[in-house]
Amino acid sequence: AQKVTQAQTEISVVEKEDVTLDCVYETRDTTYYLFWYKQPPSGELVFLIRRNSFDEQNEISGRYSWNFQKSTSSFNFTITASQVVDSAVYFCALSELTQGGSEKLVFGKGTKLTVNP
Amino acid sequence: DVKVTQSSRYLVKRTGEKVFLECVQDMDHENMFWYRQDPGLGLRLIYFSYDVKMKEKGDIPEGYSVSREKKERFSLILESASTNQTSMYLCASSQGQGAPYRSLHFGNGTRLTVT
Repeated sequence: AQKVTQAQTEISVVEKEDVTLDCVYETRDTTYYLFWYKQPPSGELVFLIRRNSFDEQNEISGRYSWNFQKSTSSFNFTITASQVVDSAVYFCALSELTQGGSEKLVFGKGTKLTVNP
Repeated sequence: DVKVTQSSRYLVKRTGEKVFLECVQDMDHENMFWYRQDPGLGLRLIYFSYDVKMKEKGDIPEGYSVSREKKERFSLILESASTNQTSMYLCASSQGQGAPYRSLHFGNGTRLTVT
């Protein structure tokens, strides 16, 4: 079965520091999607990025960047110059094809990031 | 913007009660999901549905059932609530029946306490 491992349970940094959140996955599928979601203290999960397994190009969006490496089955997320508003729980997720032919997401356990002023 | 609305933000129920958690989405999405979130365990999929009246078990379906009579509404049912079902329940929806995966859109969650 698919598996997503976020080894860092909690990370605490000081504002303006760079921080990388690790995500390692296991899958049997040749085509799959990887995701990152943010859950701020308010509770609602917010979609950040979706990456196709055939697209290994790194992506940058403002202070956020993602490093996808198929060779190491990793999809790491870096926040540059962190801010207090980045404090949240971040989830990495992997698509999984079910026996019925539909798709679902398998989530990691999340990494709680605290950015201190 | 897609809106996924869960009927209750907080709910307190007694052991043995039948509990209904309701979720409505307004973007005509085919797929709908129920997850529960527990500290240290992340999000775990309970049930999902990729079409009206269709449902598929997730990773932890025991003690739960679901109903999808209309495309926009997906209900999670706890037939006889137990204290180990105290949790945050998250509903989500996405496009694409059987198609490559789109992003999930989540509701705000229902924090259920069973006493």
